[in-house]
Amino acid sequence: GQQVMQIPQYQHVQEGEDFTTYCNSSTTLSNIQWYKQRPGGHPVFLIQLVKSGEVKKQKRLTFQFGEAKKNSSLHITATQTTDVGTYFCAGRNYGQNFVFGPGTRLSVLP
Amino acid sequence: EAGVTQFPSHSVIEKGQTVTLRCDPISGHDNLYWYRRVMGKEIKFLLHFVKESKQDESGMPNNRFLAERTGGTYSTLKVQPAELEDSGVYFCASSRARQHTEAFFGQGTRLTVV
Repeated sequence: GQQVMQIPQYQHVQEGEDFTTYCNSSTTLSNIQWYKQRPGGHPVFLIQLVKSGEVKKQKRLTFQFGEAKKNSSLHITATQTTDVGTYFCAGRNYGQNFVFGPGTRLSVLP
Repeated sequence: EAGVTQFPSHSVIEKGQTVTLRCDPISGHDNLYWYRRVMGKEIKFLLHFVKESKQDESGMPNNRFLAERTGGTYSTLKVQPAELEDSGVYFCASSRARQHTEAFFGQGTRLTVV
């Protein structure tokens, strides 16, 4: 079945440094979503990407969907302590439900 | 607008007992999903309802798990009898339409089977 992987599993950065997490699917995706889960919280939707090569920005966050629609990335510029949490990608194969990746846990040291 | 609510927030039960989790989706959301996250691993899909119908239950681990959504409003997920490996956080999410809209997650129910 479809598998979604994320790297790295953990990332520790100093406040102000950049951060990137990568999401890779074993199959071509129709669309991909990104979620953030704060410690002790629940996943909160960040964005959805649909088009091949699509790039979307939300303030310091940049999301990219690969040309082959099998991978995606989330880049945070100049991290802040409020960015702490686990970032999940969720990929959807055509006609199927979303499959979540294992997440990347981000720690930001002040 | 009220969000997705789940009850209880925590549950500790003994192996062999029964537990029922409840999810109230956002009003007007026909799509309701159940997910489970075990020991910090990935969020695994369990089940998808469209209104009161089970659209996809391919993620249900075994027949000890029973999900219902009578009337197409709230949903329950019953585990009977519970086993140790059922421990984890059970999330419910709802959305208006499956394909191109975001899913709103509830706070989750942390289930511990001892």
